Amino acid sequence: EAQVTQNPRYLITVTGKKLTVTCSQNMNHEYMSWYRQDPGLGLRQIYYSMNVEVTDKGDVPEGYKVSRKEKRNFPLILESPSPNQTSLYFCASSLLPGLDGYTFGSGTRLTVV
Amino acid sequence: AQSVTQLGSHVSVSEGALVLLRCNYSSSVPPYLFWYVQYPNQGLQLLLKYTTGATLVKGINGFEAEFKKSETSFHLTKPSAHMSDAAEYFCAVSGDNAGNMLTFGGGTRLMVKP
Repeated sequence: EAQVTQNPRYLITVTGKKLTVTCSQNMNHEYMSWYRQDPGLGLRQIYYSMNVEVTDKGDVPEGYKVSRKEKRNFPLILESPSPNQTSLYFCASSLLPGLDGYTFGSGTRLTVV
Repeated sequence: AQSVTQLGSHVSVSEGALVLLRCNYSSSVPPYLFWYVQYPNQGLQLLLKYTTGATLVKGINGFEAEFKKSETSFHLTKPSAHMSDAAEYFCAVSGDNAGNMLTFGGGTRLMVKP
């Protein structure tokens, strides 16, 4: 089944403790992206990647890191999480987002206390 | 730069009534437009999209949307609401030169009353 898989689904952590949210897609898509969803703000792009080793900032990149060492994987790294990063995170992939839209994962609900 | 405005963060309709969710966009280039649906505790699922050609686009679950360039709108409609339509709906626009940015609206939560 074609899908985007992200883990974990739920995560509670403490301020300052580094964490990684994994994301993998099995559709051979070139583009991958991370979004955060907050009430009333819709989805805002954090980072995206157009191909292996090619990443760029989205609208809200501060406090996040990403890497794209393999085509299928695009982990999101929070080096020192803070409470304002409490949010619902989505990984997404696409052949060409502007034309096809994105295929989304099921989301990771992160709480930073 | 492109942007999307969804009028009404919450919309409530009765089962069997018309569903109308509003979306207005701005884009400096011809836009591609999308509607996504998010059911509770799930990711976003593509409902329909407009790229070029026919301005009335039909999607899954009986939804459709019409691209109106003069009004910069892409409203989502369904003739008769069903309880299972209760979800959050997001309008999105792409149109930047690189084609990799999808800009989302703030979302509209649809409630369906029995």
